Amino acid sequence: DTGVSQDPRHKITKRGQNVTFRCDPISEHNRLYWYRQTLGQGPEFLTYFQNEAQLEKSRLLSDRFSAERPKGSFSTLEIQRTEQGDSAMYLCASSGRPGQSGELFFGEGSRLTVL
Amino acid sequence: DQQVKQNSPSLSVQEGRISILNCDYTNSMFDYFLWYKKYPAEGPTFLISISSIKDKNEDGRFTVFLNKSAKHLSLHIVPSQPGDSAVYFCAPLSNFGNEKLTFGTGTRLTIIP
Repeated sequence: DTGVSQDPRHKITKRGQNVTFRCDPISEHNRLYWYRQTLGQGPEFLTYFQNEAQLEKSRLLSDRFSAERPKGSFSTLEIQRTEQGDSAMYLCASSGRPGQSGELFFGEGSRLTVL
Repeated sequence: DQQVKQNSPSLSVQEGRISILNCDYTNSMFDYFLWYKKYPAEGPTFLISISSIKDKNEDGRFTVFLNKSAKHLSLHIVPSQPGDSAVYFCAPLSNFGNEKLTFGTGTRLTIIP
């Protein structure tokens, strides 16, 4: 087990293009989270899955953003019609160990730059 | 609204001395408090936590103190080591609902050899 992995690590795109990020959580974890971090800020919650069910979405997640977790395994986060304000680090995390509330295991993140 | 505030964006401490990182919160529904540590180009990693029923939790060189009436918590690192240089995030949690962490803005700790 190599932890949470995210792909790609870096993505540069032009405004208006679509991008997709993938997250592979730790295999036995049933909860998966997406966060976004901008410069000088802490990570901000975007959305959360328990198995394949998306249980909560932040109001930060505009209709241009969509996340899926088919079959409760890996997850994808798609941003359509990217804007310069979408430039950020997108972090994925997973958890699932009983009695370890809040202890999320983060991936290294996918950095998005929108030109 | 900034529910979690870490008012010191940066802190420099001599190696071997005590580092004290502070965090203030406004949401009284928070009942579990975590600290995460982040190195450049890596994701945050869990460091230590404390439940709201306690006022202190210690793990090796790391101790977290919670003052619920003041809605304040602090992380003490002693003795500080060069490898402690990182950004530290306070991340409270409300167990009413899901495990959605609310992160503070972070404090960049630099340990001076």
